[in-house]
Amino acid sequence: DTGVSQDPRHKITKRGQNVTFRCDPISEHNRLYWYRQTLGQGPEFLTYFQNEAQLEKSRLLSDRFSAERPKGSFSTLEIQRTEQGDSAMYLCASSLGGPGNTIYFGEGSWLTVV
Amino acid sequence: EDQVTQSPEALRLQEGESSSLNCSYTVSGLRGLFWYRQDPGKGPEFLFTLYSAGEEKEKERLKATLTKKESFLHITAPKPEDSATYLCAVQAGGYSTLTFGKGTMLLVSP
Repeated sequence: DTGVSQDPRHKITKRGQNVTFRCDPISEHNRLYWYRQTLGQGPEFLTYFQNEAQLEKSRLLSDRFSAERPKGSFSTLEIQRTEQGDSAMYLCASSLGGPGNTIYFGEGSWLTVV
Repeated sequence: EDQVTQSPEALRLQEGESSSLNCSYTVSGLRGLFWYRQDPGKGPEFLFTLYSAGEEKEKERLKATLTKKESFLHITAPKPEDSATYLCAVQAGGYSTLTFGKGTMLLVSP
C-alpha cells in the first residue's frame, strides 16, 4: 500500500495562469475525492468520482475548476485563469465504495497564486 | 445542511496532562464520524471511524467516543509528539463525502 500520491507538492503561479494537479489513489480504491483547505480551516469538499464517473460537485466549485478521472485510476484537477483566492492546499483522497468506508488522504498540493 | 463544530480551537497541555477534544454535529442520518490527525503542511492522517452512539475506539493514548450529538477525543498522558491539529468529520445521508470541522490545534509541551 503506497498511499495516495499527489503531484506537484508545491506550485507557485502567476495570476491568470492555468495549473494542473495530479492524484494517484490507493490502487484498489474506486472512489476518489478532491478537497481544498485554507489556513485555519478544515478541508472543504470540491468533487468526487466513482470509477471514471464524476458523481458530485460542490456548489462552491467555480467554472474555472475542472476534474477528470479518464480511466478510473489517476485524476487531474485543473484550475484555469487562477486568482489569488485560489491559493490553498488541494487534497486528494480515496476510498473503497460504500458508506462509512475510510477515506485516506494524500499529502496535498500547495498552490500559491502571486 | 450538515454542521460540525469543534472545541476548543486550540489547546495547550503539559506532557502527561490528560484532556478531551469535542466535536458536536448536526446531520441527517449519520453514516460515520471520522477523526483525523493533521501535522503542519501535510494531509490528514486517519485515526478512527465511529458508526453509532455508544461506540468507542482506542489507539495508543487516544480514545474516541460517540453520542447522538457529539464525539470526544480523549488524550491520556499526552506526549509532545501528539502535538497536531485534530480534525473531526461526518459522513451523512446518501452522500459519500465528508463534512469537516475547523479542527483543534493541540500543543503538548515537555
